[in-house]
Amino acid sequence: GQQVMQIPQYQHVQEGEDFTTYCNSSTTLSNIQWYKQRPGGHPVFLIQLVKSGEVKKQKRLTFQFGEAKKNSSLHITATQTTDVGTYFCAAHFSGGYNKLIFGAGTRLAVHP
Amino acid sequence: NAGVTQTPKFQVLKTGQSMTLQCAQDMNHEYMSWYRQDPGMGLRLIHYSVGAGITDQGEVPNGYNVSRSTTEDFPLRLLSAAPSQTSVYFCASSELVGVVWNEQFFGPGTRLTVL
Repeated sequence: GQQVMQIPQYQHVQEGEDFTTYCNSSTTLSNIQWYKQRPGGHPVFLIQLVKSGEVKKQKRLTFQFGEAKKNSSLHITATQTTDVGTYFCAAHFSGGYNKLIFGAGTRLAVHP
Repeated sequence: NAGVTQTPKFQVLKTGQSMTLQCAQDMNHEYMSWYRQDPGMGLRLIHYSVGAGITDQGEVPNGYNVSRSTTEDFPLRLLSAAPSQTSVYFCASSELVGVVWNEQFFGPGTRLTVL
């Protein structure tokens, strides 16, 4: 089915440690998007990956799309307290499907 | 541009009541969607639309109706509210760039409680 599995559900780190969240699908994805949601807020777009094996960086954030276009990851280097929030991946599935399906999200807590 | 707006921000209903959650966008986006967010469940797609007059079901459509008579508006109707529909509802919109749907812009959400 069209599901995106995201792990871990929750991650607690000390400030300065690294953080990674992973998304996996059993079927090929057309593209994958990443969003961040602060507590009490709405999801905000971070980035979109379209090409097989694509890697994109935004300052301390590194996004990867797997070669088979079935998995993706978000890595944050040297976390800061401003990184606190829930990170979601979301995907369009290959085959002309228009709906965007979200993973369950990874909630990141950063302790100073 | 106001972006994506949603009304109301908060709503309390009694079981069996009906209501409409409003969503509007001023970016001329073809794609609009409704999600519900429950703790630990992420965002689940209820219904979506790829243009005026075109709607389709998402992952959890039961108990909800939508219509898209204009590009700007995409209301979500709860036919007979149930406590299981207590949730935060987000509306979002995006545009097609080439053959790829671009980033989704989210509204601020409606927090609904059904007693």
